Amino acid sequence: GQNIDQPTEMTATEGAIVQINCTYQTSGFNGLFWYQQHAGEAPTFLSYNVLDGLEEKGRFSSFLSRSKGYSYLLLKELQMKDSASYLCAVTNDYKLSFGAGTTVTVRA
Amino acid sequence: DAGVIQSPRHEVTEMGQEVTLRCKPISGHDYLFWYRQTMMRGLELLIYFNNNVPIDDSGMPEDRFSAKMPNASFSTLKIQPSEPRDSAVYFCASSLTSGSTDTQYFGPGTRLTVL
Repeated sequence: GQNIDQPTEMTATEGAIVQINCTYQTSGFNGLFWYQQHAGEAPTFLSYNVLDGLEEKGRFSSFLSRSKGYSYLLLKELQMKDSASYLCAVTNDYKLSFGAGTTVTVRA
Repeated sequence: DAGVIQSPRHEVTEMGQEVTLRCKPISGHDYLFWYRQTMMRGLELLIYFNNNVPIDDSGMPEDRFSAKMPNASFSTLKIQPSEPRDSAVYFCASSLTSGSTDTQYFGPGTRLTVL
């Protein structure tokens, strides 16, 4: 089975940093994706980790530890437009299994 | 380039009616995925195709749901008969080679309401 856990909600101030954690226990693992989903819209790709370590892409970074079944998404220099749901997803045998998502609210 | 196209964007129907959702994947993508998203269950994979062939339909909730992909540029998800608990947003996604290592690109979704 698949068990993917992430916090339900987080709130942060514009310009700050927020870290969204994701832990997983899955029957198989090929890699881990992070998607962003604004309310009423489709999920859009943010990052992909297959090896342990940190992947940096502009204001967003994602970290993976396969031995610990742990990942985090780091959002720096928060902007109002970053208010959205962030979905952690594990890929195995060509299938994506998603966590419930973390709703991030950015306050002015 | 056009992204994944879904139609209709919104569908309101009555219980017992047949519902057909449509998807056009990104040209050249070999994999097509159907997902359902609800508040209670989140985003769930229903079925996926590789080169128009259904590979894994273990996520299809019951026999009322069926999906087809008659060609590389078109897929349908049909619910017959529909029930109120089928109300959800249904997303179609496609990827270039395989879902394991390639990014899946999502369509805008179809918001289905069954009364």
